[in-house]
Amino acid sequence: GAGVSQTPSNKVTEKGKYVELRCDPISGHTALYWYRQSLGQGPEFLIYFQGTGAADDSGLPNDRFFAVRPEGSVSTLKIQRTERGDSAVYLCASSPSGGGFERKETQYFGPGTRLLVL
Amino acid sequence: KQEVTQIPAALSVPEGENLVLNCSFTDSAIYNLQWFRQDPGKGLTSLLLIQSSQREQTSGRLNASLDKSSGRSTLYIAASQPGDSATYLCAVSSTSGNTPLVFGKGTRLSVIA
Repeated sequence: GAGVSQTPSNKVTEKGKYVELRCDPISGHTALYWYRQSLGQGPEFLIYFQGTGAADDSGLPNDRFFAVRPEGSVSTLKIQRTERGDSAVYLCASSPSGGGFERKETQYFGPGTRLLVL
Repeated sequence: KQEVTQIPAALSVPEGENLVLNCSFTDSAIYNLQWFRQDPGKGLTSLLLIQSSQREQTSGRLNASLDKSSGRSTLYIAASQPGDSATYLCAVSSTSGNTPLVFGKGTRLSVIA
């Protein structure tokens, strides 16, 4: 079956612009996570959805960052007034609700969106 | 706040060598620990997941151990191959179920043919 997909794969924008990054999780997965990975660093947690609601948004760096998941499937990460320091790979992951053969703890990652702010 | 450290940051070995990657974490109250592989331009692939009650997990040439009380884990790769070249990331979760992961910075491995 299809894995987690993210679009676009690459995004170049200018400082001050608004960007949207999309994540399509594995069908049926109730949990969805956004992470940010800067060059030479490990992924850092941004926000986690359980269904349609943000269960934990403590990793969002400031109020320029916002994410939605209106129907409990696709999620969009929105960044306003982009800054050069926002340049990174934005990773999305999804995990199942449990009860089947998949463990709830297993997170399946997408290929990421590489964002470059000039 | 949980912090995860991985040593070394980079490692280059000739093909066929056995090698060990190290991971340490500051808060021993973890639920599980995972090792991931990341290829350039790709997402993360989960290699092994060790529950806090377990001591080790094995998959093929990979063996991961966990010493929760000392806050350490190792990933052992036997008979390394050029295809093993990638960045290996260690991550811990603090509670059961769906929970964000805390990652280390990774170890970049190069296996030379």
